[in-house]
Amino acid sequence: KAGVTQTPRYLIKTRGQQVTLSCSPISGHRSVSWYQQTPGQGLQFLFEYFSETQRNKGNFPGRFSGRQFSNSRSEMNVSTLELGDSALYLCASSGAGATDTQYFGPGTRLTVL
Amino acid sequence: QKEVEQDPGPLSVPEGAIVSLNCTYSNSAFQYFMWYRQYSRKGPELLMYTYSSGNKEDGRFTAQVDKSSKYISLFIRDSQPSDSATYLCAMSGDQTGANNLFFGTGTRLTVIP
Repeated sequence: KAGVTQTPRYLIKTRGQQVTLSCSPISGHRSVSWYQQTPGQGLQFLFEYFSETQRNKGNFPGRFSGRQFSNSRSEMNVSTLELGDSALYLCASSGAGATDTQYFGPGTRLTVL
Repeated sequence: QKEVEQDPGPLSVPEGAIVSLNCTYSNSAFQYFMWYRQYSRKGPELLMYTYSSGNKEDGRFTAQVDKSSKYISLFIRDSQPSDSATYLCAMSGDQTGANNLFFGTGTRLTVIP
């Protein structure tokens, strides 16, 4: 079974631009969660989508948004990029149950200049 | 105060040593406790998953949860150079939504041959 895939793997943007990251979950998984990982703050939960609906949301500004498609693929968008948005963005997928294990993708490394 | 505290290390041990990794937390609603291992430039991979208090063993790895003390541990026996990675504790609870994981900042472990 193929794992979680994320594209692109690396991205360089400048302040003020916007960016879209993509995540394809494990086949059959309907939940997709997004996390931001930085050296100072570690992994922080952004939001979770389940069956095309946002089910949970972390404490991030509205510049961070996401969506999920009918095939469970998910995209995350960050508008008006700031230097502090430089991070590894990780996507995790899991099954339908609330206690199902989350499997992480390799992440997208975003650098904002 | 962060909800999950983890000593960032780094921790350096000789091959064959017993490694002890720990996290403390403040939210008594946490019910699900996990340990992830993250190699450089990879996404986290699940090592151990425990519900509520108790011990769980899987090969060389043992996870312990003490909810009364809000303290979790991961023990690695007979450590190998291939265990060199960053270890992240994670947890979630009914009130936050089981797929919203709260992570420690990670402990970087190096096992010296």
